Amino acid sequence: NAGVTQTPKFQVLKTGQSMTLQCAQDMNHNSMYWYRQDPGMGLRLIYYSASEGTTDKGEVPNGYNVSRLNKREFSLRLESAAPSQTSVYFCATQVAGGTGELFFGEGSRLTVL
Amino acid sequence: QKEVEQDPGPLSVPEGAIVSLNCTYSNSAFQYFMWYRQYSRKGPELLMYTYSSGNKEDGRFTAQVDKSSKYISLFIRDSQPSDSATYLCAIGSGSARQLTFGSGTQLTVLP
Repeated sequence: NAGVTQTPKFQVLKTGQSMTLQCAQDMNHNSMYWYRQDPGMGLRLIYYSASEGTTDKGEVPNGYNVSRLNKREFSLRLESAAPSQTSVYFCATQVAGGTGELFFGEGSRLTVL
Repeated sequence: QKEVEQDPGPLSVPEGAIVSLNCTYSNSAFQYFMWYRQYSRKGPELLMYTYSSGNKEDGRFTAQVDKSSKYISLFIRDSQPSDSATYLCAIGSGSARQLTFGSGTQLTVLP
């Protein structure tokens, strides 16, 4: 049982290049999220998807696009990478009801030169 | 002013010490109070969760919420080297899209 799987784990890009971060879950959760984590800033929400076919902007959506391909997969795309997007990106899923606990992947470390 | 403020540390304590980690928040509408633990190069994992003011205990960990002061704390008793991690408070209302994380406190427990 893998939980939440993110690929790639590491990536180096040049300014202006594009790339897609992939996230897949086997927890059968409806809600999925993309966060970025920067030193001193905590986790900031980029986009979320409450269910298959729906996506909404979070706190810091500029420069990103997302696709909820199906219930399992939620991808994050950088169309034209900028150095300010150097960060660690986390995908998370959320259990419905109860605590609403978030389950995180191990992160994707992106450096934009 | 950030909605959730957390002292980033780093905090270094000897094994067996009592650790106190704290967050303050500004939005009185917040209803859920969580602590996540994040080991180096890993994703955060939920450690404690509470709705209400007062204390909640789970083994060596106690979460304390004071809604009147908008202040939450996590206490770790008999701290162990395996407790070395970054601790993130997370506060919110409704669904996770309204969850605001603190910046995290890096804790090192020395053997």
